[in-house]
Amino acid sequence: AQRVTQPEKLLSVFKGAPVELKCNYSYSGSPELFWYVQYSRQRLQLLLRHISRESIKGFTADLNKGETSFHLKKPFAQEEDSAMYYCALKAGTSGGYQKVTFGTGTKLQVIP
Amino acid sequence: DTAVSQTPKYLVTQMGNDKSIKCEQNLGHDTMYWYKQDSKKFLKIMFSYNNKELIINETVPNRFSPKSPDKAHLNLHINSLELGDSAVYFCASSQESGGTSFGPGTRLTVT
Repeated sequence: AQRVTQPEKLLSVFKGAPVELKCNYSYSGSPELFWYVQYSRQRLQLLLRHISRESIKGFTADLNKGETSFHLKKPFAQEEDSAMYYCALKAGTSGGYQKVTFGTGTKLQVIP
Repeated sequence: DTAVSQTPKYLVTQMGNDKSIKCEQNLGHDTMYWYKQDSKKFLKIMFSYNNKELIINETVPNRFSPKSPDKAHLNLHINSLELGDSAVYFCASSQESGGTSFGPGTRLTVT
């Protein structure tokens, strides 16, 4: 079974401080991992995906298969980073289709 | 514009009523979803449709029923609304490769 765990419901950091949003997953095969962001009263939007190995808005995330983690990091938090962040896992099922599983989300609050 | 759209954006109704939320995507995606986001912003999948076939039902009450007239639409019907149904409902779609695209959400308030 697929599972995504985001252990922190709320993460508060000061502006300029480093940020790390934790994400752990459970899946026996090779999943595809994503981070989504939701700004206040807006729709969820894709932030980054592990296969792209890119940095978006200063955020990066590395897939660690040994620790089954996909933590989101940014060296210096900005006020505009305040939002809800969701980790997601996409993988095939025995039925032959792709299933997407989201974590429950972490609210990032950047304090000025 | 290519996107996921859903209507209405806001829905206020009384307990016991029946309501529907419509969703359309013009991205050519194969799979569509309905998610419920509660007041604490927790996101929970409700349904997933792949090529017009229901493939996931995450222990949602049978008062909720998805209807997919075609590959581009996945509507959500809710019967006998309850106070606990108040939430933001997001429609989404995805392709086999790539991320998930979300609609703008429908804020449902049951009074």
